Amino acid sequence: KAGVTQTPRYLIKTRGQQVTLSCSPISGHRSVSWYQQTPGQGLQFLFEYFSETQRNKGNFPGRFSGRQFSNSRSEMNVSTLELGDSALYLCASSTRTGRDTEAFFGQGTRLTVV
Amino acid sequence: GQQLNQSPQSMFIQEGEDVSMNCTSSSIFNTWLWYKQDPGEGPVLLIALYKAGELTSNGRLTAQFGITRKDSFLNISASIPSDVGIYFCAGQNDYKLSFGAGTTVTVRA
Repeated sequence: KAGVTQTPRYLIKTRGQQVTLSCSPISGHRSVSWYQQTPGQGLQFLFEYFSETQRNKGNFPGRFSGRQFSNSRSEMNVSTLELGDSALYLCASSTRTGRDTEAFFGQGTRLTVV
Repeated sequence: GQQLNQSPQSMFIQEGEDVSMNCTSSSIFNTWLWYKQDPGEGPVLLIALYKAGELTSNGRLTAQFGITRKDSFLNISASIPSDVGIYFCAGQNDYKLSFGAGTTVTVRA
């Protein structure tokens, strides 16, 4: 069974640009969550999508947005990039069966903003 | 989100030693999870705990869900070189994970 797949693995963008990251969950998993990992702030929750709807949101500015497609694949978009957005962006998938279940992470997308 | 207090921050261990790390929180969690992350990779799930008081093992790893639902610990027995990495605890409520800052484990051969 394939794991969580994130593309691209690495990305370099310029301040002010926007970026879209992609996440394909484990087959059969319908919940996708996104996390930002930085040395200073650690792992922080961005948002969660289930059945194409955002179910949960962390404390990030509106420049961070996402969406989920009918096949459960998810994309995350960051607009007007800032230097501080440089981070490892991780997505996690789970089954969402009505109680909290295991979340499995992808390898992440390393975003560098210059 | 809520930050968990994870300790120790780092540890040097001798191959063959048993080690422990723990996480505490001021909030109650439905689930506790332990992950290991290698450089440049995503966190890999080691153990998931669902009930207060639950003790679960996965090979040389043992973890417990605290009775108060506000804490958890992870033990690694008989350390080997491949145990090197960063270990994270995570509390989960409503599919949202709150993470500790991590414990960096380095093994002395």
